Amino acid sequence: DAGVTQSPTHLIKTRGQQVTLRCSPKSGHDTVSWYQQALGQGPQFIFQYYEEEERQRGNFPDRFSGHQFPNYSSELNVNALLLGDSALYLCASSVRDFEKLFFGSGTQLSVL
Amino acid sequence: AQSVSQHNHHVILSEAASLELGCNYSYGGTVNLFWYVQYPGQHLQLLLKYFSGDPLVKGIKGFEAEFIKSKFSFNLRKPSVQWSDTAEYFCAVYSSASKIIFGSGTRLSIRP
Repeated sequence: DAGVTQSPTHLIKTRGQQVTLRCSPKSGHDTVSWYQQALGQGPQFIFQYYEEEERQRGNFPDRFSGHQFPNYSSELNVNALLLGDSALYLCASSVRDFEKLFFGSGTQLSVL
Repeated sequence: AQSVSQHNHHVILSEAASLELGCNYSYGGTVNLFWYVQYPGQHLQLLLKYFSGDPLVKGIKGFEAEFIKSKFSFNLRKPSVQWSDTAEYFCAVYSSASKIIFGSGTRLSIRP
């Protein structure tokens, strides 16, 4: 049984560009949430998707957007990249809200 | 704004020593509390959680945590650590107001 998978593992972009990160949830899970983890910090909640809709959102600007597909997989899009967007982006899936999150290994994004 | 504090950034213990990692949060309403662990080279995974009921919660691998509402604390404990407990530990708090917030983590190193 595959766990949460994320792609790509590493990505290098330049300021102003746009990026799309992808996540496939653990089998049987219908809820996907995304997190930004800066070096030396804990994960910071970006948003959560359920039934193809954004259900909850953290304190991130509108440059951060997402999508969930009918097969429960999800994308995170970041527009107009800033240097400060450089971080590890984690995806987590669950059956319900935040009761028990299963994390992927993340996508390391570097913005130059 | 709600916050989660993990005051110990790096803890070094010898095998068989007792462990207590601190976690304090700053929200007076109803919360759900979690400890997540990340072993070297692995994904973040749930160690234990508190939703309601007995404030002393037991998790995997002999870990436990006690919710003390009056102190806004949810400290993680283990009576006797092993080398395999070397990992980074994150406390997290969920509330309807602030969604999920993770602490900055505590790195635990165990000397064999």
